[in-house]
Amino acid sequence: AQSVTQPDIHITVSEGASLELRCNYSYGATPYLFWYVQSPGQGLQLLLKYFSGDTLVQGIKGFEAEFKRSQSSFNLRKPSVHWSDAAEYFCAVVSGYSTLTFGKGTMLLVSP
Amino acid sequence: DTEVTQTPKHLVMGMTNKKSLKCEQHMGHRAMYWYKQKAKKPPELMFVYSYEKLSINESVPSRFSPECPNSSLLNLHLHALQPEDSALYLCASSQGRTSSPDTQYFGPGTRLTVL
Repeated sequence: AQSVTQPDIHITVSEGASLELRCNYSYGATPYLFWYVQSPGQGLQLLLKYFSGDTLVQGIKGFEAEFKRSQSSFNLRKPSVHWSDAAEYFCAVVSGYSTLTFGKGTMLLVSP
Repeated sequence: DTEVTQTPKHLVMGMTNKKSLKCEQHMGHRAMYWYKQKAKKPPELMFVYSYEKLSINESVPSRFSPECPNSSLLNLHLHALQPEDSALYLCASSQGRTSSPDTQYFGPGTRLTVL
């Protein structure tokens, strides 16, 4: 069965510093991968997705992610974090083309 | 436009009440989803409608009753809920692809409190 692991429950980053959120997946076939962001009490917003092609994917809000098949990873990065980036981040893999399996999430805290 | 709307934003109900949550999208999507999300947890899938037919029911108790009146609307009828049903209820929609990966777009959610 497919699964997604986000090893970090919380991460604290200083404003202006770079960010990397880790995501590892377990899936037998070609994975279709997503990153979503959720602000407190809000819905999930799609940041980016990887289906095929270029393994470096650009998303909204200055985020990017790199798919590495050899490491079963799809890590999310941002070169300079803003206070408004503080939120919960979920990595997810889709199976059967439409069923999402989420990781447990990583809470990003941004310090001044 | 990738907007999914949900009403109400907040709902407080007693255990004997009957209420409904509503979800709407105008993106021409043919698949719609209900998720339940408890605090500090990822969303859990409850139901999937594909082309207005219920295709997935993740063993959800019958006190939750979904309805898809048309391709743009999705309702979740609530009756005799328990306090542990208090959660954020999220609706999502996607194109409804069956031969290639689909992308789900989420609404803002309804915060439900059961007293």
